[in-house]
Amino acid sequence: SYELTQPLSVSVALGQTARITCGGSNVEIENVNWYQQSPGQAPVMVINRDSSRPSGIPERFSGSNSGTTATLTISRAQVGDEADYYCQVWDSGTAVFGGGTKLTVL
Amino acid sequence: EVHLVGSGGALVQPGRSLRLSCAASGFTFDDYAMHWVRQTPGKGLEWVSGISWNGGKTGYAGAVRGRFTISRDNAKNSLYLQMNRLRPEDTALYYCVRGPDSSGYYFDHWGQGTLVTVSS
Repeated sequence: SYELTQPLSVSVALGQTARITCGGSNVEIENVNWYQQSPGQAPVMVINRDSSRPSGIPERFSGSNSGTTATLTISRAQVGDEADYYCQVWDSGTAVFGGGTKLTVL
Repeated sequence: EVHLVGSGGALVQPGRSLRLSCAASGFTFDDYAMHWVRQTPGKGLEWVSGISWNGGKTGYAGAVRGRFTISRDNAKNSLYLQMNRLRPEDTALYYCVRGPDSSGYYFDHWGQGTLVTVSS
């Protein structure tokens, strides 16, 4: 079965740029979606289809996908961005999530 | 505004059954596929099942196939998950989730979840 690999944690200084990676075999041919889950809350979609930003999501959030790694980039990181982030793709009719990355803003 | 309100979660013994429901509002329910995604306490997300807009197409994760059945009633704007032969590893928060397709694209709105605990 297809697997997506994310780092357990990423730290970023306030106002700097955070990059969260999602690795998978030839992931560049997949449409990668990203979800933010703040503590005690349900997930919220922040990027879909690699790089599309839904309405209401700040422009500071962007996505890219190349080779074996998809990346969620958060510019000018804020305290409110502290959350768990999950990548997701579809494989043979099954949705697959990465293990999640905890973002800490220092 | 999209609202997805799950219900039916409970403490249940292994081997028993449970039916989850999800009431949808704020959008045209039969324009969308729907899904159940679960999250084990303190851990990650796991897709459970999805159903197309008219119920004609369903999909299941391997861990639940043959035990769980997803269904919907478009007249009632409701989604269901019938869970049979429950196991301790089914313990999780179950989210009702909206998506453009039953086996593709993304999950664009999530409910708050209903908690299922399987324990003797």
